[in-house]
Amino acid sequence: GAGVSQSPSNKVTEKGKDVELRCDPISGHTALYWYRQSLGQGLEFLIYFQGNSAPDKSGLPSDRFSAERTGGSVSTLTIQRTQQEDSAVYLCASSPRMIVAKNIQYFGAGTRLSVL
Amino acid sequence: RKEVEQDPGPFNVPEGATVAFNCTYSNSASQSFFWYRQDCRKEPKLLMSVYSSGNEDGRFTAQLNRASQYISLLIRDSKLSDSATYLCAVSPFGNEKLTFGTGTRLTIIP
Repeated sequence: GAGVSQSPSNKVTEKGKDVELRCDPISGHTALYWYRQSLGQGLEFLIYFQGNSAPDKSGLPSDRFSAERTGGSVSTLTIQRTQQEDSAVYLCASSPRMIVAKNIQYFGAGTRLSVL
Repeated sequence: RKEVEQDPGPFNVPEGATVAFNCTYSNSASQSFFWYRQDCRKEPKLLMSVYSSGNEDGRFTAQLNRASQYISLLIRDSKLSDSATYLCAVSPFGNEKLTFGTGTRLTIIP
């Protein structure tokens, strides 16, 4: 019964570098979400994947952010040309989406990104 | 106005006391409501879904007031282990992204 797995758990990078964050959802969960949480802030929605549908990218803060979900399972969030304001914990969640009105999302432990 | 608002606290409450906090939401089309618990430097974990009729799970009771657009969480007989940040989350019907409040920090004092 593995939960949502994210890697790396911590990432330190230099301003201007690209980073890739990985999320492996719970097996069988069709919906996958990315959020970020800055220090002392609530979770901010970034992007949502559901099956083969076009992803909901409405939360991506800039075109430096992109995400893919290959084969309906693992997802990668890429941040290009990182800026210091990108420093945050990036959280991935998955949901079985069996009952839309009771959309329960299960979170991974997150990737703590620090941009120097 | 933020879509989802919570009193950030902190709430410092003696062990055994009852504590309640609210979360207001601005989108009247919201259909799904949740309380998550987040421990320091950990991921959020679902505490309770909130149903129209209200629901109870042990010492925890959640209520939804659609007319006034808020949800509430009541914790009875608080334990030291209840110390955490409590996040409310809301999503509108047909749109599954959750909008979170910034959380209410609760500390139970021995």
